[in-house]
Amino acid sequence: DAGVIQSPRHEVTEMGQEVTLRCKPISGHNSLFWYRQTMMRGLELLIYFNNNVPIDDSGMPEDRFSAKMPNASFSTLKIQPSEPRDSAVYFCASSLKQGVFGLAGVGSYNEQFFGPGTRLTVL
Amino acid sequence: KNQVEQSPQSLIILEGKNCTLQCNYTVSPFSNLRWYKQDTGRGPVSLTIMTFSENTKSNGRYTATLDADTKQSSLHITASQLSDSASYICVVRNSGGGADGLTFGKGTHLIIQP
Repeated sequence: DAGVIQSPRHEVTEMGQEVTLRCKPISGHNSLFWYRQTMMRGLELLIYFNNNVPIDDSGMPEDRFSAKMPNASFSTLKIQPSEPRDSAVYFCASSLKQGVFGLAGVGSYNEQFFGPGTRLTVL
Repeated sequence: KNQVEQSPQSLIILEGKNCTLQCNYTVSPFSNLRWYKQDTGRGPVSLTIMTFSENTKSNGRYTATLDADTKQSSLHITASQLSDSASYICVVRNSGGGADGLTFGKGTHLIIQP
């Protein structure tokens, strides 16, 4: 498997523009997470989906942020309009959510596999 | 409030030396604790996971410890190599909460100098 795929890897845009980040999770995984990482705040969970359904979006900073997962193999994170303070690295991660004694064994514990990230710069 | 505190924030050591990174947490009820390694320009990758009943677990030159009573974990790196230069992130899962129950530390930035 190629792992979690994110695009673009780098995005530079001007304030006010719409930005769309894309993610393809690992095939077979049923949970998908969007994170934002900055030096000051570390990794912050923005939103996560289980079986394509948004479960918790309490980390989404403002209405300018929206995320969709139209199917099990694709998700987008959109920022409209973008602002300079949105500059950060955005990570997508996926996992196989299951019980403690699920098919993958006791030791799986829903490990999240991260993509390479999208470095967003808003000028 | 669930919190994960890591120390030091950054660390510079010479190649070949050992080092220990610390993680203190207040997450409750505790489920497990995972250490991630994040190379520059890449996403985090899991190094090891500790459950309540485990005190020590090794993965090559990496050894993680967990003291569930004091709510502390450490990651010890033996005979450091240049490739160990990275950020190390401690993540604690609680067994009841939302957001998939994860609380992230801000990480320790480790630099190995030749």
